[in-house]
Amino acid sequence: NAGVTQTPKFQVLKTGQSMTLQCAQDMNHNSMYWYRQDPGMGLRLIYYSASEGTTDKGEVPNGYNVSRLNKREFSLRLESAAPSQTSVYFCASSEALQGRYGYTFGSGTRLTVV
Amino acid sequence: AQRVTQPEKLLSVFKGAPVELKCNYSYSGSPELFWYVQYSRQRLQLLLRHISRESIKGFTADLNKGETSFHLKKPFAQEEDSAMYYCALSGTGGFKTIFGAGTRLFVKA
Repeated sequence: NAGVTQTPKFQVLKTGQSMTLQCAQDMNHNSMYWYRQDPGMGLRLIYYSASEGTTDKGEVPNGYNVSRLNKREFSLRLESAAPSQTSVYFCASSEALQGRYGYTFGSGTRLTVV
Repeated sequence: AQRVTQPEKLLSVFKGAPVELKCNYSYSGSPELFWYVQYSRQRLQLLLRHISRESIKGFTADLNKGETSFHLKKPFAQEEDSAMYYCALSGTGGFKTIFGAGTRLFVKA
């Protein structure tokens, strides 16, 4: 009963390198999200996918791209990492976009860009 | 504009003391409010939702539409309550959930 699974848990990148963060959920949720968590700023929405086949920008999309591969999987890609992207990234899912019953979060990816 | 404000970044109380974590929101529609908790280096977990009017781990929260607040309360804090707490707002019509900046609760022995 995994819920939301994120990989990797930790990553160190050099400026300019690229990487993809993977997220998968097994709760048959329609909506999925990527957030970044920074001290004093709470959680900020990067991208979201209301349902399979759709993706939209959130509050801080610059420097990121996403793919909703199927209903279960939603990946986040950094094409050219920058130190400002050092953060903890959380994937989340919910039954519907409104998140009426709350979100289920993954365990997070701690990313450092040097 | 829609907004969630948690005015305290850090709240420190003694074990057994009452605790109240403040949350104020701004939203023109009918809000749905949540509290999430994040224990040290763990994932965020849903603590409670206002629509279910439940009490989880001794915590309660009442939605006050007049004051646009959804404060989290517990009458007797425990050391294991030490964590980061986030207030979150959801709405209707495709409105995505937004989170406050969080309050770190530290319960001292």
